Amino acid sequence: RKEVEQDPGPFNVPEGATVAFNCTYSNSASQSFFWYRQDCRKEPKLLMSVYSSGNEDGRFTAQLNRASQYISLLIRDSKLSDSATYLCVVNIRDSWGKLQFGAGTQVVVTP
Amino acid sequence: NAGVTQTPKFRILKIGQSMTLQCTQDMNHNYMYWYRQDPGMGLKLIYYSVGAGITDKGEVPNGYNVSRSTTEDFPLRLELAAPSQTSVYFCASGDRESYEQYFGPGTRLTVT
Repeated sequence: RKEVEQDPGPFNVPEGATVAFNCTYSNSASQSFFWYRQDCRKEPKLLMSVYSSGNEDGRFTAQLNRASQYISLLIRDSKLSDSATYLCVVNIRDSWGKLQFGAGTQVVVTP
Repeated sequence: NAGVTQTPKFRILKIGQSMTLQCTQDMNHNYMYWYRQDPGMGLKLIYYSVGAGITDKGEVPNGYNVSRSTTEDFPLRLELAAPSQTSVYFCASGDRESYEQYFGPGTRLTVT
């Protein structure tokens, strides 16, 4: 079983709509959580860290459910520039900062 | 502030050749990492370092070597290149408090 699992998509979203997707993690020692975005043939870029109480950054909202071991990302008022692959990323306690990456969820925003 | 830089951006190697991928960060991070990403696949950890002089293997270390003589630099050495090493290589540096990692732009390597 993979440590971090994501629906690969693609999620086809009309411009201006809302899209949400989850990822699940299997290691109960997971302590830090992130969403990264990766554009085609580019490096992953940190989108936001995910905090226990949930957090928002502009049009992006992240939630963490430790009991069920899943993380969610919601994108409101989708822009064409939001088209990318979104990576769910987890840090395991006492692992020297190593991150476990999901394979990514592809989002395609259409005009 | 340059962040993480990698050179070269692209390289074509013949089977059996060797090369060094360079990585430099200016964020004074102790932690540094090398990943490879094959087309359509996720990131796989090759090697990592928690400080100058300290390195350890990741998930897929075979065929690679690293060194870390300074905080800033973390080169990755490919010996006896094989077609299976055709991939995009990303270097990252990590904050030891937040565990956030920041990636370089990548090196696209083709071995033929």
